[in-house]
This record gives sequence, C-alpha cells and structure tokens, in this order.
Amino acid sequence: EIVLTQSPGTLSLSPGERATLSCRASQSVSSSYLAWYQQKPGQAPRLLIYGASSRATGIPDRFSGSGSGTDFTLTISRLEPEDFVVYYCQQYGSSSWTFGQGTKVEIK
Amino acid sequence: EVQLVESGGGLVTPGGSLRLSCAASGFTFSDWSMSWVRQAPGKGLEWVSSISSSIIYMYYADSVKGRFTISRDNAKKSLCLQMNSLRAEDTAVYYCAFSGRYGVYWGQGTLVTVSS
Repeated sequence: EIVLTQSPGTLSLSPGERATLSCRASQSVSSSYLAWYQQKPGQAPRLLIYGASSRATGIPDRFSGSGSGTDFTLTISRLEPEDFVVYYCQQYGSSSWTFGQGTKVEIK
Repeated sequence: EVQLVESGGGLVTPGGSLRLSCAASGFTFSDWSMSWVRQAPGKGLEWVSSISSSIIYMYYADSVKGRFTISRDNAKKSLCLQMNSLRAEDTAVYYCAFSGRYGVYWGQGTLVTVSS
C-alpha cells in the first residue's frame, strides 16, 4: 500500500499570501496518478488537480500542482477567503487508492 | 456531464446489513473501474473497495474484507456495495467515484449510521 504523508498538518496564513502544501509518497506514484482535493464542511471533496499538475474543469488558475515520483506540491498563489478549508492528496494509480491525512489552511 | 448519484444510506443497528447503490450517467460506464470511498464524521477519506470494468477484479480495504461486497451492472450503469455485519466504525458518508480521462469523479455521498 502506498502511504501518503501531507505536511504541514495545519497552515496558518493571511488572505493574499501564497500557500505551499506537500504530499510525500512511500513509493513512486504510477504515471503521476496524483490528485488534490479541496473539502469544505458538509460537502464532497472537490477535485482541484489530477495527473499531478492538470487543473480540473472550472478550477481557478491560482491553484497549481507539481511534482513526480514521490514528492508532490499544491500551490495556491494568492489565498482567497474561501480557500481556508481542508486539502487532501490522493494516489489513484494502484488497485487500492490511498489518501493523505489532510492539511487544514486556516486564517492567521 | 458526468453524474454519480448514491442512495441506500440510513440508520442500521450493529450487526445489520445495508445495500448502497450508485447510478451513473454522462459517461461510458462499462469502460471504467468504479470505487467506493468513505469518510467518517470529522475524519479523513478512506478507500473502501474497487471493481474493474470487466467485473473480473474486486479489491477491498482490510477494514471491510469479508463483510462488504462490491458489484456492478454495466447494462443498468449501476454500482452497488452490499455491507454486512456492520459496526459502529463503519459510520460514514459513502461516496461512489471513478478515475476517468480528466481526473477522479465523485458523487455527493450517502450517510450510513451504525448505532443501537
């Protein structure tokens, strides 16, 4: 099983600042089948990034993904008030998917 | 437009059974493997089970192996999860999902509560 470790657990920033979220895999993720999600309370996860760096339909360009192999990054270039929620990474390249434990982005 | 609509959730007593369904539309259902993912209250996301497009391969998380059974009907474009011997720790929102050409698609989820 591929274990995904997200860091930091909580990120305290101000609106307008840049956020950098990390996701590290215990082994190489197949063909960059790495996704990032945003989740607001009471809602289903919203796909932001797939294939490590492709933005999903309708996602603002302030969200970007990078990385390959075992190290991946989600960057939010300028935080908007609605961005202060929880983010998850996921690998979907194996027969059993796995998720990171989540990073909460909170207002400083 | 891709749509996944889950149903069948509800309140069940420990040891009981429940059958979840997922109705798919907007894509060629028979081309893609399908999965169930759950999220316990206040917790993270946990993959539960997957089934191949051909229905040959089924995979389960260790936490549900031997108790849950995944199935699909490609003609009806539906996915099911039969859950037996339910435990309190199975309480969660259950999502139907698949990895498609442009990312991973999710339904809105159905809540399963296991409580006496």
